[in-house]
Amino acid sequence: DIVMIQSPDSLAVSLGERATINCKSSQSVFSSSDNKNYFAWYQHKPGQPPKSLISWASARESGVPDRFTGSGSGTDFTLTITSLQPEDVAVYYCQQHFDTPWTFGQGTKVEIK
Amino acid sequence: QVQLVQSGAEVKKPGASVKVSCKASGYNFISHAITWVRQAPGQGLEWLGYMSAYITKTTYAQKFQGRVSMTRDTSTSTAYMELTSLTSDDTAVYYCARPRGRMDVWGQGTTVIVSS
Repeated sequence: DIVMIQSPDSLAVSLGERATINCKSSQSVFSSSDNKNYFAWYQHKPGQPPKSLISWASARESGVPDRFTGSGSGTDFTLTITSLQPEDVAVYYCQQHFDTPWTFGQGTKVEIK
Repeated sequence: QVQLVQSGAEVKKPGASVKVSCKASGYNFISHAITWVRQAPGQGLEWLGYMSAYITKTTYAQKFQGRVSMTRDTSTSTAYMELTSLTSDDTAVYYCARPRGRMDVWGQGTTVIVSS
């Protein structure tokens, strides 16, 4: 199984400041056949289903604010929230869909400092 | 609009089975896979498996092999996930989702509580 490890487990950031979440996979999730990273980021708020933010490692979903940016390739990925807003308080998960079982990181809880 | 609507909360006794439904609308149900994810209290997201489009091939996480069954009824655009031999460790919110690479559409979640 591909293990996904996120860091940190939690972080507190002041409003308007940058939040950075890292995710490392135990093996590459990059496919050379189509030049894509089979990797996604989700935002999960209590009482709601998870919401897809970033697909293929760096493609922002329609309607997702541009303060959310995904980067990285292979085994190392980053989600950056450039100017934290109150509505960004949530748990963020990375996920690989390169190989089954599809696996998630353990989650990173983002709070306001 | 594209949406997945799941069945209501369930309370089950240990050893029982639960079957959760997920009704799709707003898109061509047959041409997309359906996947299931759960979240136990205080825990992260856990993938159970998926049913592929068209040929309805299923792939299950090893952890749930032999206990989980995913099916669908194309006449009603509804997917089902059945989990048997329930224990308290199966207490969780169960989500269906549409995987298009990432899971782009999610059901609202179904709470399953296993308690004697």
